[in-house]
Amino acid sequence: SQTIHQWPATLVQPVGSPLSLECTVEGTSNPNLYWYRQAAGRGLQLLFYSVGIGQISSEVPQNLSASRPQDRQFILSSKKLLLSDSGFYLCAWTTGTGFTGELFFGEGSRLTVL
Amino acid sequence: LAKTTQPISMDSYEGQEVNITCSHNNIATNDYITWYQQFPSQGPRFIIQGYKTKVTNEVASLFIPADRKSSTLSLPRVSLSDTAVYYCLVVRMDSSYKLIFGSGTRLLVRP
Repeated sequence: SQTIHQWPATLVQPVGSPLSLECTVEGTSNPNLYWYRQAAGRGLQLLFYSVGIGQISSEVPQNLSASRPQDRQFILSSKKLLLSDSGFYLCAWTTGTGFTGELFFGEGSRLTVL
Repeated sequence: LAKTTQPISMDSYEGQEVNITCSHNNIATNDYITWYQQFPSQGPRFIIQGYKTKVTNEVASLFIPADRKSSTLSLPRVSLSDTAVYYCLVVRMDSSYKLIFGSGTRLLVRP
């Protein structure tokens, strides 16, 4: 069966520090991968999505970036965090072949920027 | 992609049927309507998906009128554990793969 893991689960970072969140999917090949952010009490904001290795579509250019170095690995990064980057970050995947639009989410990473 | 509009919040009581409506006026021919449920500090979970008329599974029913410009998620006999945020998404079944969530409807089920 397919599983998705993301880490770390929680982190507290000072403003201006770098960020790296990692997500891996197991049990499937060629998934579409997504990063979402959810601010406290708000809806989900699509940050990036990827349909293949090295293929990244950005919805929020700002100070975040994403990379997909391997088929089932998706990384969210920042060189300098802002206070507004605080939130709940969710990685998700869908089938790449036979796309159905059904998203499977990871456990989430809660980031607090101080 | 069609923009979706849902009520911000709804209140209900245990045992009642809850209907949450979503409008998607600009829906395209190859778009499907999908609903998700999200509990605090968790990722959303797929509930149901449909194209037209009615779809039912063990959790909910989805009603889509002929013009497909709106859809209604129906939760029969809700319990306290159904308190969550419900999102309606329009999914385009082509190569776009972009999945954008709206603001969602916060459902509170009271005893």
